[in-house]
Amino acid sequence: AQSVTQLGSHVSVSEGALVLLRCNYSSSVPPYLFWYVQYPNQGLQLLLKYTSAATLVKGINGFEAEFKKSETSFHLTKPSAHMSDAAEYFCAVLTNAGKSTFGDGTTLTVKP
Amino acid sequence: DTEVTQTPKHLVMGMTNKKSLKCEQHMGHRAMYWYKQKAKKPPELMFVYSYEKLSINESVPSRFSPECPNSSLLNLHLHALQPEDSALYLCASSQDFSNGGNGNTIYFGEGSWLTVV
Repeated sequence: AQSVTQLGSHVSVSEGALVLLRCNYSSSVPPYLFWYVQYPNQGLQLLLKYTSAATLVKGINGFEAEFKKSETSFHLTKPSAHMSDAAEYFCAVLTNAGKSTFGDGTTLTVKP
Repeated sequence: DTEVTQTPKHLVMGMTNKKSLKCEQHMGHRAMYWYKQKAKKPPELMFVYSYEKLSINESVPSRFSPECPNSSLLNLHLHALQPEDSALYLCASSQDFSNGGNGNTIYFGEGSWLTVV
């Protein structure tokens, strides 16, 4: 079964520091992978998506993620954190059955 | 701004009430979804409609009844709910659901906050 695991339920960084949110996937076939962000009291917004066209995927708000097959990882990064980046981040995989399976989420806190 | 619109944004209902959540999208998508999300948890899939037909029911209790009147609208009828059903209900849509989804992105609405008292 296809699944994702997010390492670290809470990540705290200082404003201007590198953001690194970790996601590992489990899939026997090339997966479709997504990162979503959820701000307080809002729905989920797509940050970026991997569909095998390129291993480095650039998304909105300065985020990017690199697909590494050898490490079965799809970590999300941003060079410089802003206060507005504080939110819940979900990694997701689209299964062969067409369902999206989400990781447990990572809460990002940005300190001034 | 999301192109999936959900109403109402907040709903408080008693355990004997009947209410409905509504969702609308105008992106021409042919797959629509209902998810349930509890606080600090990931969304959990409830139902999937593909081309206006129910494709997936994730063993959801019958007190939740979905309806897809047309390709743009999705309703979730609520009856005799329990306090533990209080959650954020997210509607979503994607271009297609067939053939494993073809990697199509699922777009979410802002959600409807449901409180059962």
